[in-house]
Order: sequence, then C-alpha cells, then structure tokens
Amino acid sequence: KQEVTQIPAALSVPEGENLVLNCSFTDSAIYNLQWFRQDPGKGLTSLLLIQSSQREQTSGRLNASLDKSSGRSTLYIAASQPGDSATYLCAGGFQGAQKLVFGQGTRLTINP
Amino acid sequence: EAEVAQSPRYKITEKSQAVAFWCDPISGHATLYWYRQILGQGPELLVQFQDESVVDDSQLPKDRFSAERLKGVDSTLKIQPAELGDSAMYLCASSLAGVEQYFGPGTRLTVT
Repeated sequence: KQEVTQIPAALSVPEGENLVLNCSFTDSAIYNLQWFRQDPGKGLTSLLLIQSSQREQTSGRLNASLDKSSGRSTLYIAASQPGDSATYLCAGGFQGAQKLVFGQGTRLTINP
Repeated sequence: EAEVAQSPRYKITEKSQAVAFWCDPISGHATLYWYRQILGQGPELLVQFQDESVVDDSQLPKDRFSAERLKGVDSTLKIQPAELGDSAMYLCASSLAGVEQYFGPGTRLTVT
C-alpha cells in the first residue's frame, strides 16, 4: 500500500528562520510529488510540483527536493514570515494511478 | 487565472437528509477528482473521472454516495442519506494531463 507520512504534525519557529518540512513515502515508483499549502478552512494551493525525473524545484523562497531512492522529499522555506503560517501537505502520484496520496500535513506557525 | 469552482462553500444538514455538491473544473481539464478531508488529516480520493467516465471509485461508499459528470465538464457529488461521520471538507480538483492537480476552495459539510 502506498503511504505518505509527514513528521512532525506541528512546528513552531520564530520569524526569519530557515526551516525544512519533511515528507516520506513507501513506494519508490513515484512519478511526481506535489507540495500544497492549506489555510484554515480553505482549499489547497499548489506550491511546487516535482516530476520523478527532477531532483528539485524552486519558487521564490521555497525549494522542494525529491529523493526517490530514500523515499523522501523536503520543502525548504527561507527567511520565514508570519504569513507562511499554514498547514503544508505533500502528496505523491504513483505509477499505475493518477490519484494523489496525501500525508497528514504539518501545521506550521511562524511567531513574530 | 482559471480556477476550480465549488458550491456551496458551507452546508449544514441533518442526518438522514440528502445533500449535493457541485464542481466546475478549469476549462479544458479532462480529469476531475473528488476528495474528502476529515479535520486534521490529509485528503483521500473518493472518485476520479476522465471526461465523463469513472476511472476510480474504489473508496466511494456506494451505498450512500454517488457522483456524476454527465457531459464531461462539471460534476455533482451526492450523499443520501447523510450520516454524522460524513462531516468533512469535500474538495474538487482537476488536471489537464493527470499530472499537476488544481484544487477548488472546498465545501465544508456539517451533519447534525
């Protein structure tokens, strides 16, 4: 069974710090991994998509990496701001299915 | 920028009543997904359409849930009868080629 795990469930850091969110998956036959942001009571906003042929993607202060051999992805946020406070979800797309398998999310709080 | 539209945004219903949600994907997106997200968890796929055809409904509780996408554009998800355990966020997503998925704002369902 394909599973995606995010640890920790919650993280609190002071403003200005660089931080890393972790995502692990059980099936190396992953063809893409997508990172999302979700504000309370809202839908999901796509942040970055990494195809299996890529190792990383960057957008502004965000950088996501994908290591298929170790079954891990990370989302790096540089110079964190209070506006970055949200729940961050990673989701894997695996060969044989187009659906996304989601982790439980990491609730991030940036303290001013 | 094109977006996935969903309505209603919020719905409160009594158990045993019928409820329906509507989704309009991004124009031209052939693949449409319905996910359910229980509070504090990641979304889980309920049903996936390719044009008007169901591709995956293995996790759809078919005794009470139904979904249709008659003309291969917008879609309706119905629950009848609703149960207390159906309280959740119902998210619709679409994709152009089954790769990157774009999510709507969701419908928050509360069953009393």
